[in-house]
Amino acid sequence: GAVVSQHPSRVICKSGTSVKIECRSLDFQATTMFWYRQFPKQSLMLMATSNEGSKATYEQGVEKDKFLINHASLTLSTLTVTSAHPEDSSFYICSAWTAGGELFFGEGSRLTVL
Amino acid sequence: EDQVTQSPEALRLQEGESSSLNCSYTVSGLRGLFWYRQDPGKGPEFLFTLYSAGEEKEKERLKATLTKKESFLHITAPKPEDSATYLCAVYGGNEKLTFGTGTRLTIIP
Repeated sequence: GAVVSQHPSRVICKSGTSVKIECRSLDFQATTMFWYRQFPKQSLMLMATSNEGSKATYEQGVEKDKFLINHASLTLSTLTVTSAHPEDSSFYICSAWTAGGELFFGEGSRLTVL
Repeated sequence: EDQVTQSPEALRLQEGESSSLNCSYTVSGLRGLFWYRQDPGKGPEFLFTLYSAGEEKEKERLKATLTKKESFLHITAPKPEDSATYLCAVYGGNEKLTFGTGTRLTIIP
């Protein structure tokens, strides 16, 4: 099946620093990718839709200046958490649609802000 | 607003004991209902997509069915490696995927 890869899988940073998470579609092209956030024992919450070559679309309540999304190519989207604080600690997951209409997810990235 | 409710919240079964997980939904213009398996600390793993009422799909010990109001994930003779959280999601006319909170399934050897 289609593969979506995320990197890094785990990252620990100090409060106030910025962290970049990469999401790649390995064997298909994705004009649209999605970024989710998941808190412990809760379901996935859509943060934003990443569109190749254009600005991302953010969900209500998501700070676009804090969560910067760049979709520079058909296989790569990046999420940068700027000036991270402990409350930004979470599990971040990306996903992408295949041409066959299946939505595949990456392995997730665990962010811990000290 | 699309809504997805999964039940039960948690389910413990003996190995070999078959059961079903429920996903009730309300959606404006269903384009697809998705089932995923999620292991702790991992991203969701795609299982099935169902598009219309009456559709059924199978994969190993899992079978997913769909009606106009709900979907069931039937698990037959489960094994300990089937232990995971199973997530249901609907994709509707608003072009967004709405997830339920999942069912945590534990299979006891």
